[in-house]
Amino acid sequence: EAQVTQNPRYLITVTGKKLTVTCSQNMNHEYMSWYRQDPGLGLRQIYYSMNVEVTDKGDVPEGYKVSRKEKRNFPLILESPSPNQTSLYFCASSSTVGRSEAFFGQGTRLTVV
Amino acid sequence: AQSVTQLGSHVSVSEGALVLLRCNYSSSVPPYLFWYVQYPNQGLQLLLKYTSAATLVKGINGFEAEFKKSETSFHLTKPSAHMSDAAEYFCAVSENYGQNFVFGPGTRLSVLP
Repeated sequence: EAQVTQNPRYLITVTGKKLTVTCSQNMNHEYMSWYRQDPGLGLRQIYYSMNVEVTDKGDVPEGYKVSRKEKRNFPLILESPSPNQTSLYFCASSSTVGRSEAFFGQGTRLTVV
Repeated sequence: AQSVTQLGSHVSVSEGALVLLRCNYSSSVPPYLFWYVQYPNQGLQLLLKYTSAATLVKGINGFEAEFKKSETSFHLTKPSAHMSDAAEYFCAVSENYGQNFVFGPGTRLSVLP
């Protein structure tokens, strides 16, 4: 089954404690991205990757890092989380060949206290 | 730069009534347009997409949308609302194949018995 898998689904952490949210897709998609969803703001792109070892900032990259060492994986790293990073996070992937839509993971609800 | 506006953050309809969710976009090139639905505690699921073929696009669950270039709109409709349609709906635009999706702020649909 074609899917994007994020882990964990829920995470509560303390300010300053480094964390990683994993994302993996099994569709051999070139393009992967991370979004955060906040009430009234829709989805805002944090980082994206066009392919392995190619990443770039989205609209709200401050406080986040990503890496793309393998095509299927695109982890999101928060080196020093702060309460304003409390949000619902989604990973998505899509093919850059043809008129592809974005496929989304189930989301990770992060709370930073 | 691309942008998407959705008129009405919350829309309520009675069961059996027409559903109309509005989406307007700005794009410097002919865009690819999408509607996604998000049920509580779930990721985003594609409802339908416009990719420059027919201007009237049919999607899943009885939804359809019409691309109107002169109005830069892509409104989502369903003739008869069902209780199971209660969810949040997002309109999105992409100017490139499978890349750089920009989402609207979302419209929460409530269906009243």
